[in-house]
Amino acid sequence: SAVISQKPSRDICQRGTSLTIQCQVDSQVTMMFWYRQQPGQSLTLIATANQGSEATYESGFVIDKFPISRPNLTFSTLTVSNMSPEDSSIYLCSVGTGGYGYTFGSGTRLTVV
Amino acid sequence: GDSVTQMEGPVTLSEEAFLTINCTYTATGYPSLFWYVQYPGEGLQLLLKATKADDKGSNKGFEATYRKETTSFHLEKGSVQVSDSAVYFCALSDGFTGGGNKLTFGTGTQLKVEL
Repeated sequence: SAVISQKPSRDICQRGTSLTIQCQVDSQVTMMFWYRQQPGQSLTLIATANQGSEATYESGFVIDKFPISRPNLTFSTLTVSNMSPEDSSIYLCSVGTGGYGYTFGSGTRLTVV
Repeated sequence: GDSVTQMEGPVTLSEEAFLTINCTYTATGYPSLFWYVQYPGEGLQLLLKATKADDKGSNKGFEATYRKETTSFHLEKGSVQVSDSAVYFCALSDGFTGGGNKLTFGTGTQLKVEL
């Protein structure tokens, strides 16, 4: 199955700033998914990124706040813009592994102060 | 829409005890079902999966059977170890991953195993 390298693994950021999270996959994949895991909560899908087209955002998430790039079939970035303490979460990328499986990156633990 | 309901935690067990974590789902069609595990400070790892009714997924002593009639996918292990302490997430997907089908997660159940 695919291996995902996600970075940074953690960061502490000032409110009002932006952070870009990167995910690199060791094979070409059609879809990449970005999730948020707020403290003590489950995972919520932010958006689905398909190479060559704009990302599809879930209800409650907007492109201005979470812009996503997908320049090729092995790479994607998620930016958390104009951060506030409420954005403190773990952010994870995920890819389908073929068939019915999914692989996750190790996550980015973001703290906004 | 799709949803997953799993038992609240934390669940605290003694080593070698029997584990059951309940999971039920609501979905249109015929979803695939998953259990993911998140060890402290780490990302999600796939524990097991089942893609059709009556399938049994198994891994590392854990098992779960896809029960369409009860819309359930309960996780079981006969004898837990301290190293099994983690958060367990039940999840479903409506179809083939290449079709952009997302995972819908339950709220997670924290398991603590004590000596």
